[in-house]
Amino acid sequence: DGGITQSPKYLFRKEGQNVTLSCEQNLNHDAMYWYRQDPGQGLRLIYYSQIVNDFQKGDIAEGYSVSREKKESFPLTVTSAQKNPTAFYLCASSRGQGVYEQYFGPGTRLTVT
Amino acid sequence: ILNVEQSPQSLHVQEGDSTNFTCSFPSSNFYALHWYRWETAKSPEALFVMTLNGDEKKKGRISATLNTKEGYSYLYIKGSQPEDSATYLCARLSDDYKLSFGAGTTVTVRA
Repeated sequence: DGGITQSPKYLFRKEGQNVTLSCEQNLNHDAMYWYRQDPGQGLRLIYYSQIVNDFQKGDIAEGYSVSREKKESFPLTVTSAQKNPTAFYLCASSRGQGVYEQYFGPGTRLTVT
Repeated sequence: ILNVEQSPQSLHVQEGDSTNFTCSFPSSNFYALHWYRWETAKSPEALFVMTLNGDEKKKGRISATLNTKEGYSYLYIKGSQPEDSATYLCARLSDDYKLSFGAGTTVTVRA
């Protein structure tokens, strides 16, 4: 089955620790995205990548980092510099940027205490 | 309009009734409008991607219209069924290819 996987589903970390969220897709999509959802708000774009070895900051990139070494993988690291890391994180991919619909993973709920 | 706004935030509809709700967005630098359906415990799924002013799209009992000049889109559900219960997200794609989402309209269909 083609799709996007995110792991783990739930993640707990202590404040001050970096944590990496996994996102893998087997759809052969060029573009991949990371979003964050907070209660009562729309999805907000953290980082996106149009192609391997290239990525751009979204609207709320501070305190996050990404890499795109393989087409299939786009891991997100939440660093200790992110002031409010507790949130629901969604990864998505699309054939390209522009009018292509995005396919979403199941999400990772991160709790930092 | 500075951001993507969806109204109402939530609505309840009786099974068999039709309903509609609104997505408002900045009309400047517009490239496309996306609609997604997000059911509980599932991932968001794309419904429509619309680009042209006056565009209308339909998928089963769900349809959408687009007005890019005034910056709004309507989503219609005809003859609502319990399986239509979900949060419906709209997102505006600007010409720098960034997608900005609204907070969603949560639809609950009562049997």
